[in-house]
Amino acid sequence: DGGITQSPKYLFRKEGQNVTLSCEQNLNHDAMYWYRQDPGQGLRLIYYSQIVNDFQKGDIAEGYSVSREKKESFPLTVTSAQKNPTAFYLCASSEQGADNYGYTFGSGTRLTVV
Amino acid sequence: RKEVEQDPGPFNVPEGATVAFNCTYSNSASQSFFWYRQDCRKEPKLLMSVYSSGNEDGRFTAQLNRASQYISLLIRDSKLSDSATYLCVVNPWGTTSGTYKYIFGTGTRLKVLA
Repeated sequence: DGGITQSPKYLFRKEGQNVTLSCEQNLNHDAMYWYRQDPGQGLRLIYYSQIVNDFQKGDIAEGYSVSREKKESFPLTVTSAQKNPTAFYLCASSEQGADNYGYTFGSGTRLTVV
Repeated sequence: RKEVEQDPGPFNVPEGATVAFNCTYSNSASQSFFWYRQDCRKEPKLLMSVYSSGNEDGRFTAQLNRASQYISLLIRDSKLSDSATYLCVVNPWGTTSGTYKYIFGTGTRLKVLA
């Protein structure tokens, strides 16, 4: 079955560490996105990529980095520069030119700073 | 004014009731609209797209009012399994830019009571 796989499901990070969240899709979607969700807030866009080897900052990119070396993969690194990284991270993908279909989301990664 | 606003609820309704949620958006040029359902600690899942002419899917009806800049979701004959948070999602950039950076509302929480 096609879908998006995020790993790990839970991640614990010590202060000052960088961690990388994995996102892989086999939907053949061109566009991929990373969102962050905090309690009582809507999803906020961190980074997005419309094609391989290209990506753009979203609304809250500071302290995060991404790469898009393959169409299927869009990993997110949470760096030590991100001051409040504890949140639910969601990866999504969509078809270009298919705006009526919305996003498909992965099951998310819960990151906690310990 | 927030780009997308929803009443956070919770809306507590008895089984079998009809319940409606509204969502207002600020950008009059917005082109596409969606309702997503999010269960507790899970990823959002597309419930339905919202078309200009309105659309229905079983017990769910979505409508768009461009003049007043809101979309609505009506749920008839509520089931216990409808208990979830319903996210209003708007694409303010449309298809011409080729970018699908959706704006998410904070969600309306629905609890259907036995």
